[in-house]
Amino acid sequence: QSVLTQPPSVSAAPGQKVTISCSGSSSNIGSNFVSWYQQLPGTAPNLLIYENNKRPSGIPDRFSGSKSGTSATLGITGLQTGDEADYYCGAWDSSLSAGVFGGGTKLTVL
Amino acid sequence: QMQLVQSGAEVKKPGASVKVSCKASGDTFTIYYIHWVRQAPGQGLEWMGIMNPNGGSTSYAQKFQGRVTMTRDTSTSTVYMELSSLRSEDTAVYYCVRSHIVATTRFDYWGQGTLVTVSS
Repeated sequence: QSVLTQPPSVSAAPGQKVTISCSGSSSNIGSNFVSWYQQLPGTAPNLLIYENNKRPSGIPDRFSGSKSGTSATLGITGLQTGDEADYYCGAWDSSLSAGVFGGGTKLTVL
Repeated sequence: QMQLVQSGAEVKKPGASVKVSCKASGDTFTIYYIHWVRQAPGQGLEWMGIMNPNGGSTSYAQKFQGRVTMTRDTSTSTVYMELSSLRSEDTAVYYCVRSHIVATTRFDYWGQGTLVTVSS
């Protein structure tokens, strides 16, 4: 099982907002930065958010990240059908000395 | 912009080993770190380990200790990941990814992935 916990699926209508949660512990999210990835079908994951809330160049500001304690949240506003994908959170785990990920959340835009 | 180009798909029998390559271009190879992340069919991402191409030091996830070896050839800017004693559960797409520091999951460049199928 994954070290970080995400809901298996979320859904929302086009134009709406959705949030995806990621829960961890003091040794990972609680003490290290969180990253978020979008994985479109059949492609490699793409970095959406790093250092909890920073966006790489080219990522629209519809995507946002936040962190509080041992949990993190990815927010997506103005949902588009092209946002349908799997989303993963990740963080370094200081106790394991390893990268850890959530199990992924499938976003459906109804 | 860095590019990471991986070797092609492999089919292996249980108990065999596989060696996947990851060739970097477009940026200085030795100033970044290369991690390996795998994804089994329909499953999530799993971190396997990290290599510092500048010196060759490595660190592996406990799950893969004793079965994985990461090496590099600085003359060709290539990193290799070898996994031994393969079993069916190792069937997955293996990605090499780049980071700027060690203790991070901020991976800004990904290889295209290499499908390794373990089947008798």
